[in-house]
Amino acid sequence: GESVGLHLPTLSVQEGDNSIINCAYSNSASDYFIWYKQESGKGPQFIIDIRSNMDKRQGQRVTVLLNKTVKHLSLQIAATQPGDSAVYFCAERPQGNYQLIWGAGTKLIIKP
Amino acid sequence: DAGVTQSPTHLIKTRGQHVTLRCSPISGHKSVSWYQQVLGQGPQFIFQYYEKEERGRGNFPDRFSARQFPNYSSELNVNALLLGDSALYLCASSLVPGNYEQYFGPGTRLTVT
Repeated sequence: GESVGLHLPTLSVQEGDNSIINCAYSNSASDYFIWYKQESGKGPQFIIDIRSNMDKRQGQRVTVLLNKTVKHLSLQIAATQPGDSAVYFCAERPQGNYQLIWGAGTKLIIKP
Repeated sequence: DAGVTQSPTHLIKTRGQHVTLRCSPISGHKSVSWYQQVLGQGPQFIFQYYEKEERGRGNFPDRFSARQFPNYSSELNVNALLLGDSALYLCASSLVPGNYEQYFGPGTRLTVT
């Protein structure tokens, strides 16, 4: 079936370094992708999105890259801070459908 | 301004019982979505409501139902609870459907024993 998955379930990064979280998606008809952050005990929080007609989008300290050729999505966080500790989810939206398909998540751990 | 609120925060039920979960969206938001998040997994879409009408339904059995009220608050109902229904149930609100800068509540943790 259609699915969105992540390469690494846990990522440990030194504080101040850049983090790269990867995501593979399987539905070539998806036209919109989103990254969410979920801190412990809280609901997910929107970080950044990208449409399929783009290959890069930048936000505040975050950059999302989309490679449609290999169906790969990545989230780059610059100068990782302790507050970035969370589980990060990528989600895709199949074209013409409101329903989001979420990946399993990557836990980002910040080492002091 | 208050964010999305959900009640109750925690709930313990036994198999076969019924449960009602409640969600109040951010003021001005007319779309509410419900998700189920099993521990260690990403959220799975259950329902989306907009202007009191169901706009989308995920792959969940008919034991799951929902509704949206005139004030845009929403209820999720689950009948004949199974152990596998134990999860965090998340509600998200947005201005309109298709706006994924949606705001999530803290969730209701349901435990079925």
